[in-house]
Amino acid sequence: SQKIEQNSEALNIQEGKTATLTCNYTNYSPAYLQWYRQDPGRGPVFLLLIRENEKEKRKERLKVTFDTTLKQSLFHITASQPADSATYLCALGTGNTGKLIFGQGTTLQVKP
Amino acid sequence: NAGVTQTPKFQVLKTGQSMTLQCAQDMNHEYMSWYRQDPGMGLRLIHYSVGAGITDQGEVPNGYNVSRSTTEDFPLRLLSAAPSQTSVYFCASSPPRLNEQFFGPGTRLTVL
Repeated sequence: SQKIEQNSEALNIQEGKTATLTCNYTNYSPAYLQWYRQDPGRGPVFLLLIRENEKEKRKERLKVTFDTTLKQSLFHITASQPADSATYLCALGTGNTGKLIFGQGTTLQVKP
Repeated sequence: NAGVTQTPKFQVLKTGQSMTLQCAQDMNHEYMSWYRQDPGMGLRLIHYSVGAGITDQGEVPNGYNVSRSTTEDFPLRLLSAAPSQTSVYFCASSPPRLNEQFFGPGTRLTVL
């Protein structure tokens, strides 16, 4: 069956360092992959989308890579700040139906 | 734009009661989805719609009904609530092709 796995343990890093979050998937051939941020008690907020034919995408301090051979995406936050503390979700989709399958999320804690 | 709105924010039901979770969006998005989020399990797709009059099942559709009579509204119905339906429910909408999803603030449902 299709499966998406993210680091289940919380990631704790020091302010200013680079945070790297992992999203692995099996039995799935996504056309694109998305990353969302979720703060406690709120709905997820879209951050980045990367398509299957793209290796890397950047947006300000965020960088996403997508390796369809390894079936893995890495999400990097450079020069991390305490305000980056949140849960980050990856989601995979195919086609144009808007149908997404989400990972369980990784909680990032950035300490000042 | 109000974006995606959901009502109510909180609801407590007794087993066997029925209710409708409301979702509306004012962005003229064609695609709308309902997810439930449980601790450690991420977001799971319940039902989705690619346009007015068109709906389809997601990963966990049992116990839920949907309809899409207008572009703006996508209500989720629980016909006979069960304790297993205790969860946080999120509605999302997205335009076609871009596939970035906009989430509502969520409804926290408890079934006793």
